[in-house]
Amino acid sequence: DVKVTQSSRYLVKRTGEKVFLECVQDMDHENMFWYRQDPGLGLRLIYFSYDVKMKEKGDIPEGYSVSREKKERFSLILESASTNQTSMYLCASLTHRDREKLFFGSGTQLSVL
Amino acid sequence: EDQVTQSPEALRLQEGESSSLNCSYTVSGLRGLFWYRQDPGKGPEFLFTLYSAGEEKEKERLKATLTKKESFLHITAPKPEDSATYLCAGGGSARQLTFGSGTQLTVLP
Repeated sequence: DVKVTQSSRYLVKRTGEKVFLECVQDMDHENMFWYRQDPGLGLRLIYFSYDVKMKEKGDIPEGYSVSREKKERFSLILESASTNQTSMYLCASLTHRDREKLFFGSGTQLSVL
Repeated sequence: EDQVTQSPEALRLQEGESSSLNCSYTVSGLRGLFWYRQDPGKGPEFLFTLYSAGEEKEKERLKATLTKKESFLHITAPKPEDSATYLCAGGGSARQLTFGSGTQLTVLP
């Protein structure tokens, strides 16, 4: 089974802090994604990566950056956290061999105070 | 602008009481309509992909159908373990998905 692991389940940060969310997948998937999930809004794509060191903006990239130095790891960075970035963050991966299925991690609930 | 709307927002059923969840979509260049299940504290888990109007897919008590404007997730004789939030999403590819906000299903014993 594909496993997508997010480093923290819950995270509490202060406004202005730099925040790193880490995601690791163990099935050699080429594509990785970061979404945020807010009540009533559904999942919204922040960034995705289709290869090492490659990234593309999703629908809501403002205030975020990403890093993919190794195939299995995709990091989401909040350069200066703000209260409106309080949300559930979900990482996902996808392989070219089965383009139907996104595999999601369990999520990181981030609270910015 | 692509849009996916799910209804109802929440649904409570008695065990064994069949029902349907609705997903209405306006997605340009739709190549697939996806259904996911999300349990509390977990990420979404893939259920189905539908590609063309008239297509149906089944898995245990769940059957997904697709028309040109809507998809339905039919739940037959549900059990408490079917309680979850069901998400639908449409797009040209997995990189371009527009998700609905979900239907929270509760099945009471």
